[in-house]
Amino acid sequence: AQTVTQSQPEMSVQEAETVTLSCTYDTSESDYYLFWYKQPPSRQMILVIRQEAYKQQNATENRFSVNFQKAAKSFSLKISDSQLGDAAMYFCAYKKPGANNLFFGTGTRLTVIP
Amino acid sequence: KAGVTQTPRYLIKTRGQQVTLSCSPISGHRSVSWYQQTPGQGLQFLFEYFSETQRNKGNFPGRFSGRQFSNSRSEMNVSTLELGDSALYLCASSLGGGPGANVLTFGAGSRLTVL
Repeated sequence: AQTVTQSQPEMSVQEAETVTLSCTYDTSESDYYLFWYKQPPSRQMILVIRQEAYKQQNATENRFSVNFQKAAKSFSLKISDSQLGDAAMYFCAYKKPGANNLFFGTGTRLTVIP
Repeated sequence: KAGVTQTPRYLIKTRGQQVTLSCSPISGHRSVSWYQQTPGQGLQFLFEYFSETQRNKGNFPGRFSGRQFSNSRSEMNVSTLELGDSALYLCASSLGGGPGANVLTFGAGSRLTVL
């Protein structure tokens, strides 16, 4: 079974600084998708960024970028120029092609210090 | 366009009762998935419906069931509620057909408390 591990239950960052959240996963598949979702106190899960495993280029979305290391099964999220609104729970998730169920990690709570 | 709408947002039930939660997906989305979120177990997949058929199912007891209507709206039902069913229930919709990432868009959730 696929497992997703987020080893940092909590992280903090100063406003305007950069922070990296870690995620590792276990799979025997060669093709899959990885996601980072953000869940603010409002509880709604919001997609931050996604990565297709067959793409070697790391995905970026404005201030958010990933470091995807397929051989190491690592998928970290870098947030640059952190803002107060970035404070939330961040979940790493894995999905197989052809299936719509996500396997989630346990989450990292990010605090942004003004 | 409107996002994923879940109702009710909050509800309180007692043990032994049953509950029905509703999810209206984004217009055009044919897949609806349900997840249970608890502090102890985290986010766990319940089931997915596509074109009114259950396409995938997680590891939950038969007390958890769902259905999807022809307009893609979905309901999930939990019978004989237990204290451990207290959770945030999240619904997500996606286009659902064909290969690709099929990004899931989540609703705000229904917070169920069982007393």
